Amino acid sequence: AQKITQTQPGMFVQEKEAVTLDCTYDTSDPSYGLFWYKQPSSGEMIFLIYQGSYDQQNATEGRYSLNFQKARKSANLVISASQLGDSAMYFCAMSTTGFQKLVFGTGTRLLVSP
Amino acid sequence: GAVVSQHPSWVICKSGTSVKIECRSLDFQATTMFWYRQFPKQSLMLMATSNEGSKATYEQGVEKDKFLINHASLTLSTLTVTSAHPEDSSFYICSADPTSAGSYEQYFGPGTRLTVT
Repeated sequence: AQKITQTQPGMFVQEKEAVTLDCTYDTSDPSYGLFWYKQPSSGEMIFLIYQGSYDQQNATEGRYSLNFQKARKSANLVISASQLGDSAMYFCAMSTTGFQKLVFGTGTRLLVSP
Repeated sequence: GAVVSQHPSWVICKSGTSVKIECRSLDFQATTMFWYRQFPKQSLMLMATSNEGSKATYEQGVEKDKFLINHASLTLSTLTVTSAHPEDSSFYICSADPTSAGSYEQYFGPGTRLTVT
């Protein structure tokens, strides 16, 4: 069975600083994908970044980067230069079996202060 | 970009009635759509996988007779909550998996907030 663990229920960061949101995963499938989504209070799920299990390099998308440590089964999200608009829930998720259904972690609530 | 819509965005219904929620992929075709449920301050839990032209696959613990899913076309899936009760009140989110090969991303709808009184 696949499992995603996010151990930080809440994180605080000051504007313009970097923050790391932790995510560990468990799967026996050698082929999988790891995702991070942002969910603001409006409820929509916003795709941030993706890392494939066979990707050699860490994924980056603008201010978001994914620190992929395959041996440790971790896929931490790094947000650089935090902005007030980054305040939201962040979910780590994994897909396997042909890259279809997603399994989500419990989420981390990020609060960015001025 | 790929857009998924849901209708309605919110609905209030009385206990015992049925509610239908639509999920549409607006600018792409989706062989597979997924339905998730999210209770307040909790994570998204997959309810079922909807495949065009075939029966939905439900996750363990989800009542298939209560949550009816129909994927009638490559752009539309519907979730009907039958005989709704207050404990069915939740945020329901759909996602669509593009039919095109090589695409790994699912596109999420904006969600439907259901309140059963």
